[in-house]
Amino acid sequence: NAGVMQNPRHLVRRRGQEARLRCSPMKGHSHVYWYRQLPEEGLKFMVYLQKENIIDESGMPKERFSAEFPKEGPSILRIQQVVRGDSAAYFCASSPVYTGELFFGEGSRLTVL
Amino acid sequence: DAKTTQPPSMDCAEGRAANLPCNHSTISGNEYVYWYRQIHSQGPQYIIHGLKNNETNEMASLIITEDRKSSTLILPHATLRDTAVYYCIVRVLNNNAGNMLTFGGGTRLMVKP
Repeated sequence: NAGVMQNPRHLVRRRGQEARLRCSPMKGHSHVYWYRQLPEEGLKFMVYLQKENIIDESGMPKERFSAEFPKEGPSILRIQQVVRGDSAAYFCASSPVYTGELFFGEGSRLTVL
Repeated sequence: DAKTTQPPSMDCAEGRAANLPCNHSTISGNEYVYWYRQIHSQGPQYIIHGLKNNETNEMASLIITEDRKSSTLILPHATLRDTAVYYCIVRVLNNNAGNMLTFGGGTRLMVKP
């Protein structure tokens, strides 16, 4: 059973470009969570999605960031017009319904030049 | 979710037991104690969780005090690969908000040869 798959593992963008990070949850998992970890800081919750629904986006910046989890395909975290402060590791996690165990991917590391 | 307090760092000799404490004095009756760890640059990894009874699995043991105000994660024979940041998290298991976890600063465990 493959784990949570994130790609790309590393992404370099110039200021003003767009970044798209993808996350495929574990088989059978319908809940996806995105976290951000700035350099030398802790993990911060961003958004929680179920298929075709955003359940909790309280941790998402109000502008430039969006997330989706379509009926088919991976979850996407999209960052428009990236700035240097967006440089971070972005982790995706998935879980089955109503258990406390989150399974994390290896993360996508975004560097903004 | 109840707040937790952990020492920022600890050292442990290889082969010895590592005992990582966590205070959660405001924990409520339906909140579970979870432990995750993050090895450098990797995604967080679930270790163990419990409500009030002590728990053991292939990775670790969790000892929860009778009043549930604190707990200890025990790695019985620490290896160099156990060097990581360990997070103690307290939350309700089943609620409609999903399984979102709030990560604090954690304890940076350094296992030394």
